[in-house]
Amino acid sequence: AQTVTQSQPEMSVQEAETVTLSCTYDTSESDYYLFWYKQPPSRQMILVIRQEAYKQQNATENRFSVNFQKAAKSFSLKISDSQLGDAAMYFCALAGGSEKLVFGKGTKLTVNP
Amino acid sequence: EAGVTQFPSHSVIEKGQTVTLRCDPISGHDNLYWYRRVMGKEIKFLLHFVKESKQDESGMPNNRFLAERTGGTYSTLKVQPAELEDSGVYFCASSQDFRLFAYEQYFGPGTRLTVT
Repeated sequence: AQTVTQSQPEMSVQEAETVTLSCTYDTSESDYYLFWYKQPPSRQMILVIRQEAYKQQNATENRFSVNFQKAAKSFSLKISDSQLGDAAMYFCALAGGSEKLVFGKGTKLTVNP
Repeated sequence: EAGVTQFPSHSVIEKGQTVTLRCDPISGHDNLYWYRRVMGKEIKFLLHFVKESKQDESGMPNNRFLAERTGGTYSTLKVQPAELEDSGVYFCASSQDFRLFAYEQYFGPGTRLTVT
């Protein structure tokens, strides 16, 4: 069975600072994808960043980057220069061997002005 | 391009009643997924349609849940009869051919179901 664990139910960060959200996973698949999704309050979940397991280079999307440690099965999300609009629930997810996503429980991020 | 839409946004029903949730995927997306998040727990996969066919329904909790996707367009998820433990947020997602787009799924806003 595939699992995703987010050990931080809540995190907070000051505006303009950097925050890192943790995620670990487990899968027996050799080919898989990892995702971070963001769900702002009362809004739809949107994809923030995606990482293919076969790529060693960490994915980056503007202020969002990941630290993908394949051997450790770790996939953390770093948000730089945090903005008020970054406040949301962040879900780490895994897809391997099939199209269904396996999610973690989520981390609620608060951005303080 | 319109996103994934879901109706209703919120439904409150009594135990034993029937509720039908609807999902309209992004036009042209053959893949449609249903997920559910029970309060405080992970978002869990329910099932996956490719066009009108059920590709994977391994996450459906029991036979009180019935999903359909007539004509390969919108999908409905019926819960009959509803139980208290069915309360949660039901998400729908759609995607194009995963082999080309690497599993990127677009999510709807969810339907919050409360069974009292």
